[in-house]
Amino acid sequence: KAGVTQTPRYLIKTRGQQVTLSCSPISGHRSVSWYQQTPGQGLQFLFEYFSETQRNKGNFPGRFSGRQFSNSRSEMNVSTLELGDSALYLCASSLRGQGSYGYTFGSGTRLTVV
Amino acid sequence: GQQVMQIPQYQHVQEGEDFTTYCNSSTTLSNIQWYKQRPGGHPVFLIQLVKSGEVKKQKRLTFQFGEAKKNSSLHITATQTTDVGTYFCAGNGNNDMRFGAGTRLTVKP
Repeated sequence: KAGVTQTPRYLIKTRGQQVTLSCSPISGHRSVSWYQQTPGQGLQFLFEYFSETQRNKGNFPGRFSGRQFSNSRSEMNVSTLELGDSALYLCASSLRGQGSYGYTFGSGTRLTVV
Repeated sequence: GQQVMQIPQYQHVQEGEDFTTYCNSSTTLSNIQWYKQRPGGHPVFLIQLVKSGEVKKQKRLTFQFGEAKKNSSLHITATQTTDVGTYFCAGNGNNDMRFGAGTRLTVKP
């Protein structure tokens, strides 16, 4: 079966702009979690969506938001981009949420803010 | 809040040597998972441990979950160059998965 698909793979944005990242989970998986990965901070939890509802949220400012659609596809949005938002954004799909039975990660979107 | 600490941050070994990475949580975990991320890649799920004191093996990899369900370890016997990558633990404690900072393993042939 198809894996987790994240688009786009790479993005370059300017400070102050906003960006939307997309994630399509594995078919049948109803949970999508988002993580930010940076060399200094490792994998930081952003939020988790399950059946279109945000189930949990990490310690990120309100500039980071997300949503999930009825087909389980998810988007995350970052407004008013800052240089520190440059990172690899990973989407993780799981069957029932909270990483149950393990996450399947997408290849990520590498965001560079200049 | 829940924190998951992982040590060491880096480990460089000669091919054939053993390798161990340790994970400690500030709170009791319902389960712990291990992932491997190759350079330039994304994390790939290796295993999940659920029971107190659980030990699981995958070929040369041995995973342990502590009795108190607050710590875990991954041991690789006789490392190979294909073991290169960063190994992450992830603990489920407060309804979300928190990742350790990872241990980056390099193997000299």
